[in-house]
Amino acid sequence: EPEVTQTPSHQVTQMGQEVILRCVPISNHLYFYWYRQILGQKVEFLVSFYNNEISEKSEIFDDQFSVERPDGSNFTLKIRSTKLEDSAMYFCACAGIHNEQFFGPGTRLTVL
Amino acid sequence: GEDVEQSLFLSVREGDSSVINCTYTDSSSTYLYWYKQEPGAGLQLLTYIFSNMDMKQDQRLTVLLNKKDKHLSLRIADTQTGDSAIYFCAESINYSGKLVFGAGTILRVKS
Repeated sequence: EPEVTQTPSHQVTQMGQEVILRCVPISNHLYFYWYRQILGQKVEFLVSFYNNEISEKSEIFDDQFSVERPDGSNFTLKIRSTKLEDSAMYFCACAGIHNEQFFGPGTRLTVL
Repeated sequence: GEDVEQSLFLSVREGDSSVINCTYTDSSSTYLYWYKQEPGAGLQLLTYIFSNMDMKQDQRLTVLLNKKDKHLSLRIADTQTGDSAIYFCAESINYSGKLVFGAGTILRVKS
């Protein structure tokens, strides 16, 4: 069964550094999402992406965040200058025709 | 506004049925979903229901939807120790593909 994969599984970075989180969605899925889950809190929507552009973004997704689908398979989330409060699990998801979203295993980002 | 509420914790004995409840506020929800998260793992889609349905059954899982009360439940029949996990309810808002999640219900199954 096709799966969403994410790399790395764990990323440790210093405050102010740039990080790129990578996702390989299920092929033939056209809608892509990033969510995050701060420890002990709800899963929060960050951004949705369709047809090579952002469809919707949340208040969390400020100018420090960007998404890209550089080569038609990978889907990346970049945080330009990380802050302590960016520490969280970041999940990539892709959607089928009923918007059933399939999630990757997540990347744990730790900002020191 | 968009908000999804769930009870925090449920403990059941192995072999019993579990019922996890969820309420949501947005009447324009199109689909409602149940996800399972095991420790250290991602979110596994268990099942989903279209908002014009009342019930959906999938093996041991039964989803009931009361649209008038904006109440969704997930019943797990013959609960097993492997069902121990956090269960998230989520709604898909009509104009947007994003999912709005509840805080999750921790299900503990005692053998």
